[in-house]
Amino acid sequence: GEDVEQSLFLSVREGDSSVINCTYTDSSSTYLYWYKQEPGAGLQLLTYIFSNMDMKQDQRLTVLLNKKDKHLSLRIADTQTGDSAIYFCAEKEVTGGGNKLTFGTGTQLKVEL
Amino acid sequence: GAVVSQHPSWVICKSGTSVKIECRSLDFQATTMFWYRQFPKQSLMLMATSNEGSKATYEQGVEKDKFLINHASLTLSTLTVTSAHPEDSSFYICSVTAGTVWTSGGPLHEQFFGPGTRLTVL
Repeated sequence: GEDVEQSLFLSVREGDSSVINCTYTDSSSTYLYWYKQEPGAGLQLLTYIFSNMDMKQDQRLTVLLNKKDKHLSLRIADTQTGDSAIYFCAEKEVTGGGNKLTFGTGTQLKVEL
Repeated sequence: GAVVSQHPSWVICKSGTSVKIECRSLDFQATTMFWYRQFPKQSLMLMATSNEGSKATYEQGVEKDKFLINHASLTLSTLTVTSAHPEDSSFYICSVTAGTVWTSGGPLHEQFFGPGTRLTVL
């Protein structure tokens, strides 16, 4: 299967920007996603980017995609305590067909006052 | 987006018993549902893809006789953990696809996730 890697933990101060990084291996991925998971809850889709895009901005969220390096990042501007959660990147598997998502290992973001 | 519920939200059972987890799509008909398992501080691992009216497709390494999936209607899929053991303790999450959304970049198959079910087997 494909591998999607993330750093495990990130700590930032409230008001700062957070940057969560992700590397993937499937060069044929069409969509790459960022999900947020709060404690004891399911996943919430934050944003996605199509593979022919380099950047996508959605309010406080900026997604950057470097397809050559297979590197994806999520930047959260003006990080708030409510942003504390685990963030997963995911890629849509194309080679296997269907709508399977392969998730990264997750990055726990802790926002401190 | 779509609203997905799971029941129960948490369950504690004795080793050897069977546990049924329900996943419901509340506001649309879902032809495809997915079941994931998440161990503490780990990522989601896809267990199976559930298609309404047909047999589920299991991922490699997932025992289909132990994790029974029934997708009897367009709004309900169930996962039954049979003869549960402590190693089956995990967070089980379902998701549904709301069909194809066409974007400027192409077809987007968004998945909507349920809140998860915490299973603890004693």
